[in-house]
Amino acid sequence: DVQMTQSPSYLAASPGESVSISCKASKSISTYLAWYQEKPGKANKLLIYSGSTLQSGTPSRFSGSGSGTDFTLTIRSLEPEDFTVYYCQHYNEYPPTFGSGTKLEIK
Amino acid sequence: EVQLQESGPGLVKPSQSLSLTCSVTGYSITSNYWGWIRKFPGNKMEWMGYISYSGSTSYNPSLKSRISITRDTSKNQFFLQLNSVTTEDTATYYCARSDDGYYPHFDYWGQGVMVTVSS
Repeated sequence: DVQMTQSPSYLAASPGESVSISCKASKSISTYLAWYQEKPGKANKLLIYSGSTLQSGTPSRFSGSGSGTDFTLTIRSLEPEDFTVYYCQHYNEYPPTFGSGTKLEIK
Repeated sequence: EVQLQESGPGLVKPSQSLSLTCSVTGYSITSNYWGWIRKFPGNKMEWMGYISYSGSTSYNPSLKSRISITRDTSKNQFFLQLNSVTTEDTATYYCARSDDGYYPHFDYWGQGVMVTVSS
């Protein structure tokens, strides 16, 4: 299975700041990478797929980049609702696997 | 709007079977791919498998001997059965939709149901 290493596990920032979350694959996955947002009591939200394509409804302050093994989720001008947990997931081959998550907290 | 809702027992005894239902509204399960994903304590997530629009299935090899995903198109529901559970199967279970069976990423999710395996 492709291992997805997500970092950092925890990240503290202030509203208005920008942050980046890294996701590294154990082998090349082309751009078959998705990013999700998880909030307690709510359904997970697909933010980005194909490494950099914003899902409909995803605010433009979110962006994704990368290909091959290294990927980054960047959130510009953090809003209060952005402070939650984020996961990456590859879908280049079976089985799809997930990163271990990054919890974004308010500093 | 597409909505998914998991349901089922929150407590299962070791060696028994875990059975969950995903009820879908706003979209027919005779289109797309419908999967199960679980998140363990500690936040590791695992894709378990899917059932396609045609009723074909694909499972994670790590579960292949224990898992079955079926559906009832008349009720727009699909189901997870996991046999011979152990405490290692304690997790929050999610159902989700994917547009693509070959390259599955999940655009709609349920809120998840927590299942504890304990005697």
